[in-house]
Amino acid sequence: QQQVKQSPQSLIVQKGGISIINCAYENTAFDYFPWYQQFPGKGPALLIAIRPDVSEKKEGRFTISFNKSAKQFSLHIMDSQPGDSATYFCAASSMGANNLFFGTGTRLTVIP
Amino acid sequence: EAGVAQSPRYKIIEKRQSVAFWCNPISGHATLYWYQQILGQGPKLLIQFQNNGVVDDSQLPKDRFSAERLKGVDSTLKIQPAKLEDSAVYLCASSLGGPGYTFGSGTRLTVV
Repeated sequence: QQQVKQSPQSLIVQKGGISIINCAYENTAFDYFPWYQQFPGKGPALLIAIRPDVSEKKEGRFTISFNKSAKQFSLHIMDSQPGDSATYFCAASSMGANNLFFGTGTRLTVIP
Repeated sequence: EAGVAQSPRYKIIEKRQSVAFWCNPISGHATLYWYQQILGQGPKLLIQFQNNGVVDDSQLPKDRFSAERLKGVDSTLKIQPAKLEDSAVYLCASSLGGPGYTFGSGTRLTVV
């Protein structure tokens, strides 16, 4: 059973546009929600993360929006650049467990 | 700081053969993880170590997979005998203790 559901599977955005990737979870024990960026041939790299005590976190062009009641969270990439082209994974874990449950990934392509 | 080192980068073996992967975590990181990433999917936890003790190996197929972390530093993951469905990227990650961890570049295994 997929603990974290991610959509869309792929996304094509024009340079300068906004990329939006969505995730949903069921386990209310989850309390840490990171996003990872993965380039071909590389391991996932932590991009940004949020805990459920806030509804939004912004770091540069990357923003996580979190809706605790809906059990959903999303990644927004503002002013998308060709260098942002990669696969993005949402994930979730619960306090004390530390192991991450990953979504299925979104392949983002930013067209120049 | 140096990242998580993994070797080899690629491995091709025939089914029923054995294979071993090696991981050297970031210095001082007590927690080490092995994840399996099948093509087109998110990483899935195989085993988690805290120092040289196993914290979670519930998803490790113990009839063919084994892992050890001697002296709480380097770790080895072994598959014996390999099956076609074991073809994947095997990712090692480490952390100081929390869920925000660093991944290595992985070992891509192809079983033919």
